[in-house]
Amino acid sequence: AQSVTQLDSQVPVFEEAPVELRCNYSSSVSVYLFWYVQYPNQGLQLLLKYLSGSTLVKGINGFEAEFNKSQTSFHLRKPSVHISDTAEYFCAVRGMEYGNKLVFGAGTILRVKS
Amino acid sequence: DTGVSQDPRHKITKRGQNVTFRCDPISEHNRLYWYRQTLGQGPEFLTYFQNEAQLEKSRLLSDRFSAERPKGSFSTLEIQHTEQGDSAMYLCASSLVIDSAGYQETQYFGPGTRLLVL
Repeated sequence: AQSVTQLDSQVPVFEEAPVELRCNYSSSVSVYLFWYVQYPNQGLQLLLKYLSGSTLVKGINGFEAEFNKSQTSFHLRKPSVHISDTAEYFCAVRGMEYGNKLVFGAGTILRVKS
Repeated sequence: DTGVSQDPRHKITKRGQNVTFRCDPISEHNRLYWYRQTLGQGPEFLTYFQNEAQLEKSRLLSDRFSAERPKGSFSTLEIQHTEQGDSAMYLCASSLVIDSAGYQETQYFGPGTRLLVL
């Protein structure tokens, strides 16, 4: 079955600490991977995407993600978080097996505490 | 450059009523998508248009739902005879596809329309 799994529904972390938000996908063919962020009462904003090439992808706001084909993972990381990073983060996949739509995970709420 | 806009931002209706939402994509974007997001879940695909043609519909899109993009610009999503289960955030996204596959292009999302059916 086509799916995207975000293993943590909530991640609490202290300000300036590092964070990793996990994402695993299921697919037998090449995929394109995306991370979006959603602030309260707002739409989704693209953080970064993996299309091809280097498996380490850098995005906006200091976030980066690493594509691992053997583990079918695309975990999101930030070395030092800010209060303003508090939001919900969605991993999404797209590709021939999924069609033109984005298939999203259930989301991970990142709560940054001072 | 204005982003994707959606109207209204919030809608409260009574069960059985019809509602219509509008989405204005980014200018020149040829693809337009509708997604639905319920509490605690990620967005789920409903349908998409390439220009004015509706190319794919999800099984989530029951007969009570209809979407149009008459001139390949703005789109409307209508829900007839609303049910409490229709309560959700309805998100619109647009993108510019140059090649035929188009799996790589970025979808830009609007702020959403939050529907509450009483």
